[in-house]
Amino acid sequence: RKEVEQDPGPFNVPEGATVAFNCTYSNSASQSFFWYRQDCRKEPKLLMSVYSSGNEDGRFTAQLNRASQYISLLIRDSKLSDSATYLCVVSVYSSASKIIFGSGTRLSIRP
Amino acid sequence: DGGITQSPKYLFRKEGQNVTLSCEQNLNHDAMYWYRQDPGQGLRLIYYSQIVNDFQKGDIAEGYSVSREKKESFPLTVTSAQKNPTAFYLCASQSKDRIGYGYTFGSGTRLTVV
Repeated sequence: RKEVEQDPGPFNVPEGATVAFNCTYSNSASQSFFWYRQDCRKEPKLLMSVYSSGNEDGRFTAQLNRASQYISLLIRDSKLSDSATYLCVVSVYSSASKIIFGSGTRLSIRP
Repeated sequence: DGGITQSPKYLFRKEGQNVTLSCEQNLNHDAMYWYRQDPGQGLRLIYYSQIVNDFQKGDIAEGYSVSREKKESFPLTVTSAQKNPTAFYLCASQSKDRIGYGYTFGSGTRLTVV
């Protein structure tokens, strides 16, 4: 079983739609959680951190459920520019800080 | 502006040849990482270093080597022992004081075996 699992998609939704991604993680010692965005043939860029209480940044909302070990990302009023791959990232603090990336969920917004 | 610089952007390697990928950061970050990404797949950790003159193997270190002689620099050598080196290589760094704040990535190097 992968340490971080995501639905690979692709999700193909119309502009203006609301779309949600989930990500599950297996290590209960995981302590920090992030969503990254990666455009085609580019490096990943931090979209937002995910906090226990949930957090919102404009059209983006991230939630963490420690009991069920999953995090989610909700995108409202999707724009064409939201088309990208979204990576779920989990950080485990042990003797060496280990950060684990999911394989990503591909999102395509159509006009 | 502070950031991470990877070079070259594209690199072509002949069979049996060693190549070195450069990664330089001026963010004063302590930790640096090398990842490999294959098409349609997630990032896999090759090597990481949390302080100068120290580094640790990641999940797929075989066929790779690194050095960390300076805080700013963490070069990756892809040796001839790496049988399938064609991939997108990403370098990242992180401040030890901001472990919970995510990575900063370089723009990557695309390595192709010809």
